[in-house]
Amino acid sequence: DAMVIQNPRYQVTQFGKPVTLSCSQTLNHNVMYWYQQKSSQAPKLLFHYYDKDFNNEADTPDNFQSRRPNTSFCFLDIRSPGLGDAAMYLCATSRPTGEGTEAFFGQGTRLTVV
Amino acid sequence: RKEVEQDPGPFNVPEGATVAFNCTYSNSASQSFFWYRQDCRKEPKLLMSVYSSGNEDGRFTAQLNRASQYISLLIRDSKLSDSATYLCVTPSGGYNKLIFGAGTRLAVHP
Repeated sequence: DAMVIQNPRYQVTQFGKPVTLSCSQTLNHNVMYWYQQKSSQAPKLLFHYYDKDFNNEADTPDNFQSRRPNTSFCFLDIRSPGLGDAAMYLCATSRPTGEGTEAFFGQGTRLTVV
Repeated sequence: RKEVEQDPGPFNVPEGATVAFNCTYSNSASQSFFWYRQDCRKEPKLLMSVYSSGNEDGRFTAQLNRASQYISLLIRDSKLSDSATYLCVTPSGGYNKLIFGAGTRLAVHP
């Protein structure tokens, strides 16, 4: 059974039209991450939550926001998508331990901006 | 300097070959490392974790060299199905946020 679920798998939105991507987890992990991945590039961390504590990367555009209403759910809001925001958006979770932090990924949402 | 650096490749090898990738990291305090495999247009999936000097799982061996700050991934007896991008990952900063290298692309041909 999928443990990190992203919806939708594919999203097409219009230039400038707000869009929300969702992620849910059944692992009860403390940490949830949102990554943006463009073709042939590494996943780029946008932000992450440790429980309710929100951590924004310094270079994440203001156009991107996130919400985590409870442990299981996390949302990525793109307020005014531009053509450059077309990418795969990956949600991941982890539970940091003394030895390290294995992350579990959802299948991703591929966003197209038209 | 990037926190995690990898040779992007591609590494083109025949079936049965042995191939190795390196990944260098800048944070000498890093304690754990991961190799993820990512197929085209799919999510990354954990291949191996490295917490001490190394780890081995079948045809895959990961080694950590703390003095030179790199980890390596060795794949023996390459299969066509090993063709993928291999991502090197290490936690960074507080709350163990995960930083990815750009990935090394491997193409195994008949």
